[in-house]
Amino acid sequence: DQQVKQNSPSLSVQEGRISILNCDYTNSMFDYFLWYKKYPAEGPTFLISISSIKDKNEDGRFTVFLNKSAKHLSLHIVPSQPGDSAVYFCAASVRNRDDKIIFGKGTRLHILP
Amino acid sequence: KAGVTQTPRYLIKTRGQQVTLSCSPISGHRSVSWYQQTPGQGLQFLFEYFSETQRNKGNFPGRFSGRQFSNSRSEMNVSTLELGDSALYLCASSLAGLARSSYNEQFFGPGTRLTVL
Repeated sequence: DQQVKQNSPSLSVQEGRISILNCDYTNSMFDYFLWYKKYPAEGPTFLISISSIKDKNEDGRFTVFLNKSAKHLSLHIVPSQPGDSAVYFCAASVRNRDDKIIFGKGTRLHILP
Repeated sequence: KAGVTQTPRYLIKTRGQQVTLSCSPISGHRSVSWYQQTPGQGLQFLFEYFSETQRNKGNFPGRFSGRQFSNSRSEMNVSTLELGDSALYLCASSLAGLARSSYNEQFFGPGTRLTVL
C-alpha cells in the first residue's frame, strides 16, 4: 500500500517555464513533508520541506505547497533550468512518533532547451 | 569534509548467495539509515542504526540485516538473495539520528547497485 504517491513517472518542461511536481498521501498522521532531488549515480539530496502547520514554504526558485484537506502537496520550480533535470522524490513522516520517512516512487523531470 | 561513502559501488551476485554492503558516514555522524531504491517501489526505508543500536526498522524480511560499529561505519547484509533484491541500496548519515535531526541534515551516499542474476 503506497502511502506517498507520485502519479507522474515523468514530466517534461520547457526551460524558463514553471515545473509543477505533484504528490498525494493517504496517511492523515503525516505531519512533515520533504522533497529530495536525485541525479544519476548520486544519492538524493534534500531540497525543501514543509511542516503540516504551514501551507507554503519557499526557498529561492523552489516553493512547496501543502493542501491538508486534499492530502496533496506540490513542488513548484520557477523558472526551470537545465540543471533541474533530475528525479524528484516526495517524502513524508510522522515526526516524533516513529520518524520513519516514507518516500514516493519519484518523478523524472526533463527540462527541455 | 568527506561525504558518505559506500562500497562497493556495483555488485553482481546470483540467487541464493549473500552480500554485505558497507557505508561510512560523514565524520562525527552517529546515525546511519539504509534505503532500497527500485523502479517499482521507489525509495523504501530499511533500518536506522544509532550508536551501534538498531533504532528503527522498515517492512523488510529478516534476510535483510545490518549492524553498526563503534566508529559509526555500518554494514548491511542480505542473505539468500532473490531476483527481486536487485536494487540501488542507499545509506544516509546524520548527526543525531532521524528522531532528532532535521531531515535536511540527512546526507545520502551514492549507493551500491546490486544485480542478482
